[in-house]
Amino acid sequence: EAQVTQNPRYLITVTGKKLTVTCSQNMNHEYMSWYRQDPGLGLRQIYYSMNVEVTDKGDVPEGYKVSRKEKRNFPLILESPSPNQTSLYFCASSYGDSYEQYFGPGTRLTVT
Amino acid sequence: AQTVTQSQPEMSVQEAETVTLSCTYDTSESNYYLFWYKQPPSRQMILVIRQEAYKQQNATENRFSVNFQKAAKSFSLKISDSQLGDTAMYFCATHGAQKLVFGQGTRLTINP
Repeated sequence: EAQVTQNPRYLITVTGKKLTVTCSQNMNHEYMSWYRQDPGLGLRQIYYSMNVEVTDKGDVPEGYKVSRKEKRNFPLILESPSPNQTSLYFCASSYGDSYEQYFGPGTRLTVT
Repeated sequence: AQTVTQSQPEMSVQEAETVTLSCTYDTSESNYYLFWYKQPPSRQMILVIRQEAYKQQNATENRFSVNFQKAAKSFSLKISDSQLGDTAMYFCATHGAQKLVFGQGTRLTINP
């Protein structure tokens, strides 16, 4: 089954404790992206990757890091989480310019 | 830059009624796509319908159809014969450079 997976689905952590949210896709997509969803703001892009070892900032990259060492994986790293990073996070993937993105199930992160 | 505006934060209708969700957008792209995504309580992002801007014919998918007014930059979603399972957040989106740009969302409730 073609899918994008994220782990964990729920995470509660404390300020400053490094964490990683994993994302994996099995569709051989070149393009992967991370979004965060906040009430009244819709989804906003954090980082994206057009292929292995190629990443770039989206609209709200502050406080986040990513890496793309393998085509299927695109982890999101919060080195020192803060309460304003409490949000719902989505990973997405697509073939190059098709623009139709396939979303993971979401990760609910709470930073206290 | 691209912007997407959904002016109806919440809507509520009775089961079997028809409901229209509004969306306006702005884009500098000459050829672009527009999307409606559904997000049920499970939080999964589900593509409902896609419209290619160069196509004059409005897209339809079963009970879902769009009214695409290119000159007015309007892209509304009509849901006919609404069902309880249509209860969800609905997001309008267009694509920017390597990303989707989303509106703020409309929370739709279908009442029995």
